[in-house]
Amino acid sequence: QSALTQPPSASGSPGQSVTISCTGTSSDVVGYKYVSWYQHHPGKAPKLMIYEISKRPSGVPDRFSGSKSDNTASLTVSGLQAEDEAVYYCSSYAGSGNWVFGGGTKVTVL
Amino acid sequence: QVQHVQSGAEVKKPGASVKVSCKASGYTFNIYAIHWVRQAPGQRLEYMGWINVASGDRKYSQKFQGRVTITRDTSASTAYMELSSLTSEDTAVYYCAREHDTLTGYSFDHWGQGTLVTVSS
Repeated sequence: QSALTQPPSASGSPGQSVTISCTGTSSDVVGYKYVSWYQHHPGKAPKLMIYEISKRPSGVPDRFSGSKSDNTASLTVSGLQAEDEAVYYCSSYAGSGNWVFGGGTKVTVL
Repeated sequence: QVQHVQSGAEVKKPGASVKVSCKASGYTFNIYAIHWVRQAPGQRLEYMGWINVASGDRKYSQKFQGRVTITRDTSASTAYMELSSLTSEDTAVYYCAREHDTLTGYSFDHWGQGTLVTVSS
């Protein structure tokens, strides 16, 4: 199972928006609605930010939103804040009890 | 509250095995699956495999097939991940996380704190 493709980095100034892409295949992103996004700060456990493409768990600010078009899922962080600086990973269910992660995108708040 | 408390850091020699535990609390352990994900220094998250806590059914990522064994003890609400034939490339932080197809939409909504495994001669 190949990793999903994410850009290595993205950045924005406080208050701006940043969008991260996650490209997959017919075996994962295209075939299922089960794309999720995780925020990972160094030394901490990853935190679920988005599941099922666009749903937010309780407690996640509505500044975080997700979408999907064809083979690419996206995470948008609006109104960037300093605490949003982290590595973001996408993940997709890939059928038959398989999951796959993306390579991670480091978001820098300028 | 939901918690997954993992066992402490380990230092192993090449060729050895390591077993990491993940004790769950604050929810009904039996209705979820427990997954294992690792992160080597400076690398991405890497998916290893999972266990259906209720049935004990397991599935492993192809990369780790033959070297990883995931088990659980339902009476102790604890899952385990054992990795054998360790090399320096297995030096990583290992995480457990819970998942449920309908309750979490196949996502990992609560994670353990991570266990650092260092492989060094």
